[in-house]
Amino acid sequence: EDKVVQSPLSLVVHEGDTVTLNCSYEVTNFRSLLWYKQEKKAPTFLFMLTSSGIEKKSGRLSSILDKKELFSILNITATQTGDSAIYLCAPYYGGSQGNLIFGKGTKLSVKP
Amino acid sequence: ETGVTQSPTHLIKTRGQQVTLRCSSQSGHNTVSWYQQALGQGPQFIFQYYREEENGRGNFPPRFSGLQFPNYSSELNVNALELDDSALYLCASSHRVSATDTQYFGPGTRLTVL
Repeated sequence: EDKVVQSPLSLVVHEGDTVTLNCSYEVTNFRSLLWYKQEKKAPTFLFMLTSSGIEKKSGRLSSILDKKELFSILNITATQTGDSAIYLCAPYYGGSQGNLIFGKGTKLSVKP
Repeated sequence: ETGVTQSPTHLIKTRGQQVTLRCSSQSGHNTVSWYQQALGQGPQFIFQYYREEENGRGNFPPRFSGLQFPNYSSELNVNALELDDSALYLCASSHRVSATDTQYFGPGTRLTVL
């Protein structure tokens, strides 16, 4: 069965710290991998990664995918209290296998 | 906000009852996917609708069923509710079924089964 493992499951840091969130997967032939941030209810889209080795950046957040080693990472620099959330990664097949396969997420808490 | 809306926000039901949850997709999107998120877990795929047809289904029993309407809005129906059905139900819409089309989530419906 397909499996997505995120680590750590929870993380507590102080404002200004840099964090790296990990997503490893035992999923083959997926087309893209998505990262979401979930604060209260709706997961909000962060990144879609389709190619291995190409970093995507948005402000203080960046992410990269390694299809050979089967992992992705999400980096957040200069963390702020507003970054406190659950971060979810999900490989995505698309087409007739139209589901995102989510891990349990990493709960990030940023203290002032 | 994504433009995906869900109703109701919260719902309390008792075991054995039936429930209908609704989702309106973002403008221009013809694909709706439903997910169940239990406490402390990531969302689990229930099924997806594309142009009013079911386009894929996760490991959920037949008492979970759905519909998509011509305007691409969607319903999730759950019959014979069980305690374990208590969860946050999320719908997500996308422009197409392609894996390069991002799924955008609605705010969810919190279902409590007593």
